Parts: sequence; C-alpha cells; structure tokens
Amino acid sequence: GEDVEQSLFLSVREGDSSVINCTYTDSSSTYLYWYKQEPGAGLQLLTYIFSNMDMKQDQRLTVLLNKKDKHLSLRIADTQTGDSAIYFCAENKVIFGPGTSLSVIP
Amino acid sequence: DAMVIQNPRYQVTQFGKPVTLSCSQTLNHNVMYWYQQKSSQAPKLLFHYYDKDFNNEADTPDNFQSRRPNTSFCFLDIRSPGLGDAAMYLCATSTGGTDTQYFGPGTRLTVL
Repeated sequence: GEDVEQSLFLSVREGDSSVINCTYTDSSSTYLYWYKQEPGAGLQLLTYIFSNMDMKQDQRLTVLLNKKDKHLSLRIADTQTGDSAIYFCAENKVIFGPGTSLSVIP
Repeated sequence: DAMVIQNPRYQVTQFGKPVTLSCSQTLNHNVMYWYQQKSSQAPKLLFHYYDKDFNNEADTPDNFQSRRPNTSFCFLDIRSPGLGDAAMYLCATSTGGTDTQYFGPGTRLTVL
C-alpha cells in the first residue's frame, strides 16, 4: 500500500544545516512535496520536485530525489530559529508523511 | 492577500450537534480538498472536488459530507460530531495542471 515515512524529530543548532529525510512507496508519484507547518497554522508549500528531477535548489532549500530508492530529502542551509516547525513530505498531494518536528537551538 | 480562506478559525460544537466548516478561494482553482489533521498526525484526505465532481476517499466516514455550490466555496458538514472528530480541518485548492496545492489556515474543531 501507499505509505510515506519520516523520522519524527530533528534538532540542530542555529546556523547549521538541517537534513530531513523521507521515503515513499508509490513509484508512479509524479510530484513530491515538502510542506512546513508552524504551530496552530495550516500547511505552507515550501517546494516540490518533479519525479524526473534529481535535485532542485531554491535559496536555502535543496531537495534531493533518489527515485531508485524512493528517497527524498530536504536540506535547509543556515538553519534559523524561524525554521522551527513540522515538515511534511507528501506524494501526489494526497499521501502525507507523519511529519518531522525540527527544533532549532539558538 | 489571503487566497484560501477558512471560517471560522476555531469552532466549538457539542457532541452530536451538526456543524459546518467553510472554505473559500480567490484563485479560481478547479480542485478543492478537505483534510482532517489530528494532533501530531499527518493530514488525512477526506474528499475532494474536481469542479463539480465529488471524490470521496474510501475510508472517510459517512458522518462527513461536503458541498461545493460554486467554484469559490466548499463546505464540510459533520452531521453528528463525535469526540473523535475533534481535529484541525484543512482546506486546499489546486489546478489540475500543476498539481501544486495551496492550503488555508485551517479550522480547529473542538467537540464538547
């Protein structure tokens, strides 16, 4: 069946890079997404990657896709305290991972 | 400018008392979605509309219904809320082409 997995917690120091990992199961996924959710708020689309791409960079964000291993990662460079949130990966919009709670230590 | 608007942001209802949550969009997107997100869990898709075509997820309880009277508005009706229905309800929109979703801020439902 369809399932998306993520590690639940990540803690980094301010200024370091954060890497959030995700594995998915549906090899037919066309798009893979990263969303950010701050406490009590809706989901904010951060970035997405088309399945025929290996990498996408957008300012401090880098998405890597290993389609063979069905592995997706989100790297946040120079992590700031404002990056503290829950990060969800999702495939084809409707299957979300459990979310990774990122804590940034000042 | 807000593009996907959900009202109210916080809703309190009583056990068994019908409640309606509202979503509107200024994006003129074809597709509108409703998700349920319980505390510390991933959003779970309940159903979506592609234009007027309603698509229900197989495991969405019958207690949940939806209406889309026009392109801009979509409603989530919970006919007899139970304590287990307390959650954040998220509305999202997309065009069929790009598949990118835009989420509203959510309505947090409390059931007493």
